[in-house]
Amino acid sequence: EVQLVESGGGLVQPGGSLRLSCAVSGFTFSSYWMHWVRQAPGKGLVWVSHINTDGSTTTYADSVKGRFTISRDNAKNTLYLQMNSLRAEDTGVYHCVRPRGDGLNRFDHWGQGTLATVSS
Amino acid sequence: DIQMTQSPSSLSASVGDRVTITCRASQSIATSLHWYQQTPRKAPKLLIYAASSLESGVPSRFSGSGSGTDFTLTISSLQPEDFATYYCQQGYSTPLTFGGGTKVEIK
Repeated sequence: EVQLVESGGGLVQPGGSLRLSCAVSGFTFSSYWMHWVRQAPGKGLVWVSHINTDGSTTTYADSVKGRFTISRDNAKNTLYLQMNSLRAEDTGVYHCVRPRGDGLNRFDHWGQGTLATVSS
Repeated sequence: DIQMTQSPSSLSASVGDRVTITCRASQSIATSLHWYQQTPRKAPKLLIYAASSLESGVPSRFSGSGSGTDFTLTISSLQPEDFATYYCQQGYSTPLTFGGGTKVEIK
């Protein structure tokens, strides 16, 4: 069974940092691109970033570019999101997401998410 | 960036009703359009991929259609477990983008 379990969320002041982790199991992690998608409280879904299978290619939404860094450790089956210079608008649940792997960018497995709250 | 516009943003319907939700892309995305269902405090669930293909395990009352810029999600006979928020998502180009969501509520 595919499992994606996020951790690392919490309360942080504006300008602070958080490092989110996503531990995966049930599939060959090193064979899949991975994504982060966030959802502000009561709001819709927003794609944040993705990373290719070996970590050599990353892409970010304009709203987080230069502040967030996605990475992965294939030996540990873990995806990361380093979030720096956090702003109030970064508050939300961050989901680790796995696409099907057929090039369609369809997300068939989601973690339950970890809540990051940016507030003074 | 490709903008995805869903309508309506919310609707009220009764069990057994036929429900239609639309999604419009700001440019052509061929059939690279996917639909998700989200219930409160849960992660989204993939319903339809590539505009019209039913994800495994999803009831056949859900269907999708469209290509280019205009897409539709239809629930043929609304069931109690279908009251949720529905999102479209384009998989055509990065940044991947979602529609704003359609909340389906009980009338």
